[in-house]
Amino acid sequence: DTGVSQDPRHKITKRGQNVTFRCDPISEHNRLYWYRQTLGQGPEFLTYFQNEAQLEKSRLLSDRFSAERPKGSFSTLEIQRTEQGDSAMYLCASSLTSRSSEAFFGQGTRLTVV
Amino acid sequence: RKEVEQDPGPFNVPEGATVAFNCTYSNSASQSFFWYRQDCRKEPKLLMSVYSSGNEDGRFTAQLNRASQYISLLIRDSKLSDSATYLCVVNPNDMRFGAGTRLTVKP
Repeated sequence: DTGVSQDPRHKITKRGQNVTFRCDPISEHNRLYWYRQTLGQGPEFLTYFQNEAQLEKSRLLSDRFSAERPKGSFSTLEIQRTEQGDSAMYLCASSLTSRSSEAFFGQGTRLTVV
Repeated sequence: RKEVEQDPGPFNVPEGATVAFNCTYSNSASQSFFWYRQDCRKEPKLLMSVYSSGNEDGRFTAQLNRASQYISLLIRDSKLSDSATYLCVVNPNDMRFGAGTRLTVKP
């Protein structure tokens, strides 16, 4: 399977714990995006990378959230001191650099904070 | 004002109906536009890109109005399998999604 893969698919954690999610994009894709989606809402932009450079972060991304893409390939999204409001589906997508390029999504990581 | 706003929906239509969704965007620098489809508990997938001159793909027609900053999606002869959430996507540099419009096509 050469699509976007995310790991884990599901994560249940206790409030206050740290969690880290991984995304492996399609290999030739330069851009990588992270989104958060809650029930009944569209994907909410969190951040995106062009190769290893993080070019934009949403104001919604508090200081508890951090994302990295150290070698311009896979990316990690870490949430520190999780809160119940962090419960959501975290989606990763990748695309080529061109603005007209389609973004391909992974199946997401569903986070439940109890 | 949200960056991308869509018709709230939900739309419940009979098979064979024509249905239209609209989406407005706030960033006039936006260069590319898309419609994505998302089935329940699945990831979004590209339905079609939206070109300046408008474009058609079978029963689906997309239009762009840069002056008024909106895009539209028209679905003709609706099928049961069209039931899904339709997401408008605007790309100035990143990709911003609307909240989505849920469509249910009933027999």
